[in-house]
Amino acid sequence: EDKVVQSPLSLVVHEGDTVTLNCSYEVTNFRSLLWYKQEKKAPTFLFMLTSSGIEKKSGRLSSILDKKELFSILNITATQTGDSAVYLCARTTSGTYKYIFGTGTRLKVLA
Amino acid sequence: DTGVSQNPRHKITKRGQNVTFRCDPISEHNRLYWYRQTLGQGPEFLTYFQNEAQLEKSRLLSDRFSAERPKGSFSTLEIQRTEQGDSAMYLCASSLPSLNEQFFGPGTRLTVL
Repeated sequence: EDKVVQSPLSLVVHEGDTVTLNCSYEVTNFRSLLWYKQEKKAPTFLFMLTSSGIEKKSGRLSSILDKKELFSILNITATQTGDSAVYLCARTTSGTYKYIFGTGTRLKVLA
Repeated sequence: DTGVSQNPRHKITKRGQNVTFRCDPISEHNRLYWYRQTLGQGPEFLTYFQNEAQLEKSRLLSDRFSAERPKGSFSTLEIQRTEQGDSAMYLCASSLPSLNEQFFGPGTRLTVL
């Protein structure tokens, strides 16, 4: 099955730091890559990426996809304690309705 | 509240019992997904409905699991003869056909004793 691998598994930073989270995937019939934030409840949608090299941005969060090297990064600048969460990435594949999720990166931002 | 809702939010059952969970998607969403999530893992795809049709099921899904979406609105997920390994958070998500963005419900946490 198409795997999604996230790194690091966990990360502890201080408020104001910038973090970069990584998500790599296998190439087979790739359609899109999505990022979600999960606090102590259900995941909430952040970004969907389909095209290589086009940055998506929302406030302090941004994400980009590299379809040649088969990875995506999620950047968070000027981190705040409210950014503490598990960040999940998921891929979709042509020919199937499945979303395949990675195990997530657990981010803890210290005040 | 116009989001995805799930009931019950928590369920504790004894091994061997049957349980049923309900998901009410956002009203105009015709796509509905069920996932299972265990501690430290991402959501694991279980099944997908488009309107009332169940179009995809995980190959890993035991035949003790069954899902329905009889009128293309709410959906139910039933687990028969529950096992301790079924203990997990069961998440439902819905989406519009033209978007890949999924909206998740709050989940049903199942504990099998």
